[in-house]
This record gives sequence, C-alpha cells and structure tokens, in this order.
Amino acid sequence: QKEVEQNSGPLSVPEGAIASLNCTYSDRGSQSFFWYRQYSGKSPELIMSIYSNGDKEDGRFTAQLNKASQYVSLLIRDSQPSDSATYLCAVNKAGNNRKLIWGLGTSLAVNP
Amino acid sequence: KAGVTQTPRYLIKTRGQQVTLSCSPISGHRSVSWYQQTPGQGLQFLFEYFSETQRNKGNFPGRFSGRQFSNSRSEMNVSTLELGDSALYLCASSFRPGGTYNEQFFGPGTRLTVL
Repeated sequence: QKEVEQNSGPLSVPEGAIASLNCTYSDRGSQSFFWYRQYSGKSPELIMSIYSNGDKEDGRFTAQLNKASQYVSLLIRDSQPSDSATYLCAVNKAGNNRKLIWGLGTSLAVNP
Repeated sequence: KAGVTQTPRYLIKTRGQQVTLSCSPISGHRSVSWYQQTPGQGLQFLFEYFSETQRNKGNFPGRFSGRQFSNSRSEMNVSTLELGDSALYLCASSFRPGGTYNEQFFGPGTRLTVL
C-alpha cells in the first residue's frame, strides 16, 4: 500500500461543474494535509492546507478531512478551464522522521 | 515579499559531469527541501535542510548531496551525472522543517537534461 494514494485520472468535468479529488493516506499519526496545483511544465502551487477534521473553504475550493477514514478531498466548485492541471496531495509523516509524503497526483481536465 | 528563487532555470550536461543547483528561500524561512520530479515518478524527496543541518534524507545515492548556508540559501550537487538524472529539480521553502502545520512553497525549478 502506498503511503499517499490518488487516482491518476484524468478526471474530466464540464465547465461550471464540481470537481472532486480524493486522497487516502496510511499513517494514522499524520497531522497536516496539503493540496497543490501543478500546471504542465510549472512548479507546484499551494492551494489549501487543512489540519482538523471537517471542511475548510477558500473561494471556490473546499478541503475535507476525515482522519478516522484516513482521507482528504478537494472540491472545486464552478470549475473553469483554467483549473485544468494536476492536483497533488501531500501529507506529513508523523514521528521523528517527519517529512511530507506526496501522492502522484490527479490530472483534471475541465472542458468548456 | 519575494518568492523562492532557483538558478539556473535550465541546464544541459553530459554524462559523467557534475552540476550544482542553487535555491534562495523566502525571506525568514529557514528550511529548504529539495525534490526530483520525473514523469510517472512524481515528487521524490531528496533532502531537507534547516539551520545549516540536514534534517532528513530521501533514498537517493550518495552522488546527490546538498548544503545550506547561514543565510538559509541552499545548494544541491549531483556528481557523475547519469542519463536518468534528467528531471525537474524543485526547491521548497518553509518556516520550519518537518511538514507539520508547515506549508512549503516551491521555486520555479531547474530543468536538468543529461545527454
């Protein structure tokens, strides 16, 4: 089992729809969860961070964390073609050897 | 405030050569992490430096090394380059190390091509 898993996609949604991206993780002691967006040929850009169970909203983005089920999701409302990118989930590894563990990313395509 | 800067942005080297990449973190950030990104492999963690000390290291051969200076700027070096070292090398800056309650911000990356 990979430490952080994401569906590779591509996830295809029509413009204006809600895009739902999911991420599961294996380390129950993880405390910090991050979503990054990466356009082709560019570096990752931080979209959201979430540390507590529940929802966190920022504009069209909502991150949802469920530690009991060990998943974190990102919802993008009113999806736009400019949201087409790869979305990376990162989870901190608990314990003395703390570092971020990265998923391979989900490719999102928003169709006009 | 200024973001993370990386130099050079592009490099072309031949097998057997060595290369040094540089990263300047966001002002006030003392932690720098380095990643290698290749298609299909995702972000592979190389190492993390905080206050001039290597705090963490990924599973890369000893040809990959790094250091951090007192002004928090960091360099990474790859010796005896191999074709498989062709990748995007990313530097990420954060206030503290370890990833807990601690966001990382990426530089634009250095695209290394080994011929």
